[in-house]
Amino acid sequence: SSELTQDPAVSVALGQTVRITCQGDSLRRYYASWYQQKPGQAPVLVIYGKNNRPSGIPDRFSGSSSGNTASLTITGAQAEDEADYYCNSRDSSGNHYVFGTGTKVTVL
Amino acid sequence: QVQLVESGGGVVQPGWSLRLSCAASTFTFSSYAMQWVRQAPGKGLEWMAAISYDGSNEYYADSVKGRFTISRDNFKNTLYLQMNSLRAEDTAVYYCARELYYYDSSGHPHYYFDYWGQGTLVTVSS
Repeated sequence: SSELTQDPAVSVALGQTVRITCQGDSLRRYYASWYQQKPGQAPVLVIYGKNNRPSGIPDRFSGSSSGNTASLTITGAQAEDEADYYCNSRDSSGNHYVFGTGTKVTVL
Repeated sequence: QVQLVESGGGVVQPGWSLRLSCAASTFTFSSYAMQWVRQAPGKGLEWMAAISYDGSNEYYADSVKGRFTISRDNFKNTLYLQMNSLRAEDTAVYYCARELYYYDSSGHPHYYFDYWGQGTLVTVSS
């Protein structure tokens, strides 16, 4: 399968922890990367590889992977973390990419 | 700071063609594979096409294969997307993105997009 499935929406209380999951067969072979997108803006890379954060991404963002599931965890969610989050990986063929369906995170 | 600036979007009729450009600056463009990703209004991200650092390999999503062509000019530091036979469902914001990769401890590569442009809107409507 070349699909990556995410829950459409999750909510989290300010300062609490939320985990977003991404499922797909290609994740058995490739780590997911995660992108944050706020309304009207381009996506921003927040996690790549096993659990790597680009410069400037707060350490409350972390990633993990097991089997066909990748997870993005926000520990101590802030109001500015409210956004859409997408996972991505190479597909099973290794030459194409596939994005997850996206998860809208609401911080209450 | 890495900069990617898309241009060339606009309003076109179904069946028309359009060429998008992505001007890259402040990095060695010729060393990186590049991608096009689009996002239809209110929808998620959709990977469109990829091109290797030297232009020798191209890959396309099934939805655009045969209609879209990705190319690059490493002397002009510019990525292109030639879009032919446009359809209403091609209406979207088109982003270019730079690809990076690294090898894990077992030597397996893992890929990601570290920089994105701000996007250019293509509207296909009669």
